[in-house]
Amino acid sequence: DAGVIQSPRHEVTEMGQEVTLRCKPISGHDYLFWYRQTMMRGLELLIYFNNNVPIDDSGMPEDRFSAKMPNASFSTLKIQPSEPRDSAVYFCASSLTQSTGELFFGEGSRLTVL
Amino acid sequence: QQPVQSPQAVILREGEDAVINCSSSKALYSVHWYRQKHGEAPVFLMILLKGGEQKGHDKISASFNEKKQQSSLYLTASQLSYSGTYFCGTEDSGGSNYKLTFGKGTLLTVNP
Repeated sequence: DAGVIQSPRHEVTEMGQEVTLRCKPISGHDYLFWYRQTMMRGLELLIYFNNNVPIDDSGMPEDRFSAKMPNASFSTLKIQPSEPRDSAVYFCASSLTQSTGELFFGEGSRLTVL
Repeated sequence: QQPVQSPQAVILREGEDAVINCSSSKALYSVHWYRQKHGEAPVFLMILLKGGEQKGHDKISASFNEKKQQSSLYLTASQLSYSGTYFCGTEDSGGSNYKLTFGKGTLLTVNP
């Protein structure tokens, strides 16, 4: 299995630009999670989906952030407009089951907003 | 609410033991442990469910004290490959909404 695939691996953009991060979960996994990692706050859960439906988006910091999962094999996290404080590593993870399920993380997308 | 991990960092010599603690202010349903090497994704180590169980594989084990809302990760006879940042993730009891909240991590460095 290819594992969770994220793109781009690195993104450098200027403040105000739109950023789109992409994720392909492991086939057959019903749960998809978006995490953000910074030195100050550690790993923060932004949003998660179950069977393509957003279940909890309480971690999404602002209206500038949005996430979609149009089908079982693809999800996007969009930031519009981006700000320097959005600079972080964004991880996508998928899980076969709820709660007792192991999270499989992608390699992350490192975002730098200048 | 984010669980609290201690210590924040620990340095060992190869072969020494270490304990990493994770505590929560909320009643817990499960505790998850992950390890992340620099520049890589977190990798799953183990899950402990409420009931006070203890788990382990190789020389890494963990315990979960439901009453104290605490978990501890034990690394025995540490190896160089154990170096990395260890995260605990906690799931609160009582909710139907699955939500894994991670601590800020413990940086473990194993030197020769």
